[in-house]
Order: sequence, then C-alpha cells, then structure tokens
Amino acid sequence: AQKITQTQPGMFVQEKEAVTLDCTYDTSDPSYGLFWYKQPSSGEMIFLIYQGSYDQQNATEGRYSLNFQKARKSANLVISASQLGDSAMYFCAMREVYNQGGKLIFGQGTELSVKP
Amino acid sequence: DTEVTQTPKHLVMGMTNKKSLKCEQHMGHRAMYWYKQKAKKPPELMFVYSYEKLSINESVPSRFSPECPNSSLLNLHLHALQPEDSALYLCASSQVGRTGGGAQHFGDGTRLSIL
Repeated sequence: AQKITQTQPGMFVQEKEAVTLDCTYDTSDPSYGLFWYKQPSSGEMIFLIYQGSYDQQNATEGRYSLNFQKARKSANLVISASQLGDSAMYFCAMREVYNQGGKLIFGQGTELSVKP
Repeated sequence: DTEVTQTPKHLVMGMTNKKSLKCEQHMGHRAMYWYKQKAKKPPELMFVYSYEKLSINESVPSRFSPECPNSSLLNLHLHALQPEDSALYLCASSQVGRTGGGAQHFGDGTRLSIL
C-alpha cells in the first residue's frame, strides 16, 4: 500500500493566486515527520517545510503553510500568492521514527505550473 | 546557495569506465544519503551512512560502491554501468536522531548519462 499519496499529477495556477497541493499518508507509527520538497527543472531538491506528528500548530514558512489534519492523515501544502518561480515538481515525504529504519518515503509528486 | 555540494554536475561515461561522484556537506550532519532519480519520478534511496558507517544498502548492484571517508564527505564509485543507470544522482545529509524531524538537505545532483 502507498504510504504517501499525491493525487494530483499536474496542476495549473494563475500567478498571485493561492494553490493547495494534496498529500495523504498512512502510518501506524505514533511519531513521524512530514516534509515538502520543491524540485525545479534544474534538478535540485529544495526543502520547504516540516510538520511533526506531535506539533499542535500548522507549520508555516513564508508563503508556504502546511495544513495538517492528523485524524484525516493529510498534510496539504498551501502556497500563497503564487509566483512564476514556483513552477516545479513538489514532493510530499514522510519519515517514521520506528518503522522503515527512519527512511524518507516520497509521494509520486505534483507538477505545478504557474501561469502569468 | 545549497549547503550540500555535489560534483560533477554532469557526467557522461561509457559502460567500461570508472568514475566517482562526490558530495560534501558542512552542516555538521552525521547522516548522509545517496538517491537515484529518474525523470518525473520520486528519488529512490540507494545508501545511507550514519556516523560514517554504512547503515542501509537498498539492494543496490555492486557496480555502485559508496564510500564515506569522513563526516563531511560521501563518494559514489561507479564501474561498468548500464544504460539504465542514466539518471540524476542526489546526495543528501541530515541530523541523526530518533525524532521525526531532521530534514534531509539535498545537493544539486549529478546528471549521469551512460553511453
């Protein structure tokens, strides 16, 4: 079974609008971390934001926020005021403490295109 | 600027060549990783080093040989590669710990093409 599911292979958003990228996860580990990464066409994998399973507040980093709904096992990334430079592949990932040897498990990714 | 540096950025090699990919980090991290990534796919974990010791080998063929000379450096030695090994190779580093945190920080990658 997929541990990380990103159901949107591709998305379009108008410049300056907000966009939500979906991510659901599956784990029995009570302690885990959720991460979002951005990968432009140039290849570098850029860490955006982190949410811990015990964190009470949703994580925010500048224009990025993570909508963490623990009961629904979802960790959606919200990008506010989209910019042309946000066009990239976005990966959701999870790291379990006790399972999987602490490995980072990636979803299949969502390709975001920002239109001018 | 990325704090994990990979060289070279591009590499073209024949199937009989021997080459090495290099990775250096100055973040004080004690875990380092090699990933292989095909276009429009997520990275696939190859190797993990923790405190300079190999802790995970994801059943990678022996034509890939990792080496961790010290806490800042990670190498991947390549020999007799196949065309299907053409991919983006990413290095990453992170803190070691039993918490869920400790994001992995990636380098810019090496684009490898096997002729």
